[in-house]
Amino acid sequence: GENVEQHPSTLSVQEGDSAVIKCTYSDSASNYFPWYKQELGKRPQLIIDIRSNVGEKKDQRIAVTLNKTAKHFSLHITETQPEDSAVYFCAASETGFQKLVFGTGTRLLVSP
Amino acid sequence: DAGVIQSPRHEVTEMGQEVTLRCKPISGHNSLFWYRQTMMRGLELLIYFNNNVPIDDSGMPEDRFSAKMPNASFSTLKIQPSEPRDSAVYFCASSRGGVYNSPLHFGNGTRLTVT
Repeated sequence: GENVEQHPSTLSVQEGDSAVIKCTYSDSASNYFPWYKQELGKRPQLIIDIRSNVGEKKDQRIAVTLNKTAKHFSLHITETQPEDSAVYFCAASETGFQKLVFGTGTRLLVSP
Repeated sequence: DAGVIQSPRHEVTEMGQEVTLRCKPISGHNSLFWYRQTMMRGLELLIYFNNNVPIDDSGMPEDRFSAKMPNASFSTLKIQPSEPRDSAVYFCASSRGGVYNSPLHFGNGTRLTVT
């Protein structure tokens, strides 16, 4: 089945810097790659997603890039703010688009 | 829209006891997922249902775990007997027609502590 690896496990940046989180997946048939943000003690919430027919997608300060040949995708956050501090999870959908397999998460800390 | 509703929010029980976690998906969502979250293993998919039918339970760790979905608006995850290593946050999530077609919406989770 699908296997998703995520790096780094922790990331500390200064407010205003950019942050990049990278994920690789194993199943070349996977076609859907969402990113979830989980604040402390809360539920994961979708922040952005990308499908295999596009290479990049942006939404204000966040963007996701996808390289299907290399089977990796990344989350980019620009002009980071303290409220961006959270755990971020990448995920990939297995063939059939029914379920998600999650990466192990990246704890992002943005210092003022 | 009330979102995915889980109960209880917190459960503390002793080893060997039966634990039942409950979930009400978003109305109109026909896919339901149970995830377990721990520091060591992250978010693990335990089982998922499509139109109330279990599709994949390969993530269920042992026979001590069972899940049911008797109708479109209710699901349970049962652990019997519970063990300390079952301590985790259990999330229920739902989507409409599978994750490719609509985002996965998580409930607030049940924090289970087994002593």
